[in-house]
Amino acid sequence: DQQVKQNSPSLSVQEGRISILNCDYTNSMFDYFLWYKKYPAEGPTFLISISSIKDKNEDGRFTVFLNKSAKHLSLHIVPSQPGDSAVYFCAASRGSGGSNYKLTFGKGTLLTVNP
Amino acid sequence: SQTIHQWPATLVQPVGSPLSLECTVEGTSNPNLYWYRQAAGRGLQLLFYSVGIGQISSEVPQNLSASRPQDRQFILSSKKLLLSDSGFYLCAWSARFRGLWGYTFGSGTRLTVV
Repeated sequence: DQQVKQNSPSLSVQEGRISILNCDYTNSMFDYFLWYKKYPAEGPTFLISISSIKDKNEDGRFTVFLNKSAKHLSLHIVPSQPGDSAVYFCAASRGSGGSNYKLTFGKGTLLTVNP
Repeated sequence: SQTIHQWPATLVQPVGSPLSLECTVEGTSNPNLYWYRQAAGRGLQLLFYSVGIGQISSEVPQNLSASRPQDRQFILSSKKLLLSDSGFYLCAWSARFRGLWGYTFGSGTRLTVV
């Protein structure tokens, strides 16, 4: 039972254009959402997060949008750069910390930014 | 600063052999510790998590076990590896630091069972 879904296994964009990565979730108890970036043979690194009390969070070139009614979030990267090429994981949790804090991840989307 | 160490980076083991992967964290106390596996087409799957010494929660039934003998040490084990245990294993920790909770991954171990 996949509670966090990333339906696009891969995405290819041109340098300088916008990359939009999508994520859907089914568990209505999730209230905190994160995006991680992963290069091959490395652990994922935190990129950006959003709480369910917000619908948008921005950090430099990265913006995450949350649509709670649709149980959908997206990550926008503008402008895209070749160094952004990596696998992007969407993750969700109930709460943003605590003794039972754990993240549920999607399958990931491989982003390729072409020069 | 907090750091997480995970070793070895790569491992090739025959079917039926035992396994022991170790993860240690520094710079924090009483962290939550996690073992994840990234298998082909399955994303990052949570295998075990621990909220304290000797406390282990298993998320999925499998051929693996976990132990936490010390506050900052988390071990993933198997008595007899299966081909299906191949994958990329990631240790992670979360703890409160300066009022915020972080969730940080180690560099991972690529396990190939042959």
